[in-house]
Amino acid sequence: SQQGEEDPQALSIQEGENATMNCSYKTSINNLQWYRQNSGRGLVHLILIRSNEREKHSGRLRVTLDTSKKSSSLLITASRAADTASYFCATDSGNTPLVFGKGTRLSVIA
Amino acid sequence: NAGVTQTPKFQVLKTGQSMTLQCAQDMNHNSMYWYRQDPGMGLRLIYYSASEGTTDKGEVPNGYNVSRLNKREFSLRLESAAPSQTSVYFCAHRDRGSGNTIYFGEGSWLTVV
Repeated sequence: SQQGEEDPQALSIQEGENATMNCSYKTSINNLQWYRQNSGRGLVHLILIRSNEREKHSGRLRVTLDTSKKSSSLLITASRAADTASYFCATDSGNTPLVFGKGTRLSVIA
Repeated sequence: NAGVTQTPKFQVLKTGQSMTLQCAQDMNHNSMYWYRQDPGMGLRLIYYSASEGTTDKGEVPNGYNVSRLNKREFSLRLESAAPSQTSVYFCAHRDRGSGNTIYFGEGSWLTVV
């Protein structure tokens, strides 16, 4: 069964706006990762946040993690049309494979 | 290509036919995975191999078999294809020793008619 569940399922914004996606999970984790998938392509790793971290930045990406609420958020600032993609969270609970959510489809309208 | 080569890219099968999806990685990683992706279902793990010589079932293994031929190669076989196996299949690999990032291939689009 899937551990991470992204919210919303789909998001449409104007170029230049910020996009926020959320991920909830069920069990304890070692880290949580966010991936991006362009249409017709494989997933690409964006950022990893460890269970003892609360916030992490990478360029226009900001990830937060709240282990007490078992949730994470991915913020993309100043979005661009090229950010249009599906975004997945994945949880790492140790010596088991990553478990992916169903994803959020982001559309950035120019 | 994230160090992963998947073949074929596209395939149409008739119900009951068999086929093997091939995957090879060139990053010398221990762990390899096969996922399937269906609309609205996200990614679901079919089988994985934590190291050469070992394989384990994932969430949706029924109808599939795998072979970890060596450290580089991990193949997925459909013995008797069914329409429910129409999907996009992704091979992936990961080195737990030097990070936790998982690297995906570009996918194989399989249609069973």
